[in-house]
Amino acid sequence: SQKIEQNSEALNIQEGKTATLTCNYTNYSPAYLQWYRQDPGRGPVFLLLIRENEKEKRKERLKVTFDTTLKQSLFHITASQPADSATYLCALDGDDKIIFGKGTRLHILP
Amino acid sequence: NAGVTQTPKFRVLKTGQSMTLLCAQDMNHEYMYWYRQDPGMGLRLIHYSVGEGTTAKGEVPDGYNVSRLKKQNFLLGLESAAPSQTSVYFCASDEDPNSPLHFGNGTRLTVT
Repeated sequence: SQKIEQNSEALNIQEGKTATLTCNYTNYSPAYLQWYRQDPGRGPVFLLLIRENEKEKRKERLKVTFDTTLKQSLFHITASQPADSATYLCALDGDDKIIFGKGTRLHILP
Repeated sequence: NAGVTQTPKFRVLKTGQSMTLLCAQDMNHEYMYWYRQDPGMGLRLIHYSVGEGTTAKGEVPDGYNVSRLKKQNFLLGLESAAPSQTSVYFCASDEDPNSPLHFGNGTRLTVT
């Protein structure tokens, strides 16, 4: 069955730098990948969706890439701010339902 | 626009007690889902529904039951709570399986 891995449990980045989070999957290429943000005590909030035929998607300071050869998606936050500190979840379609990675806790240090 | 609303926000149960978690969405979404989130485990799908009157098992369905009598509501029941069911429960909905999920803010359940 499809497995999804976010290989950093926590990431500390200096304010103003670019934060890059990684999401890897193990089996077949999904039709799409999604990224969500989750703040403590809140539910995940959808950020971006990228389809298998798209290499890159942007939204303001966010950029997502999808490399089906490497079986990997990268999530970038440019000009990072302390307010970007949160847990970021990767999700993809697998076996007729969306499956989630365990998330990466991002800390932007002032 | 409320989106997805979960009640209650917090609950403490004793082992063997029962309870029902309520999820309501006002976006006319067909699909609704119940997840649990545990430290180090991520979000795991318990049950889901593809429309009013339908339910299906997810990854971790044992010990839970669900009902979708109305399109806007999806109920999660625990008939006999166990400490292993201590978790944060999230409800979500979407228009179709390829659309982004809309989540509620969770119910934190502790079973002692």
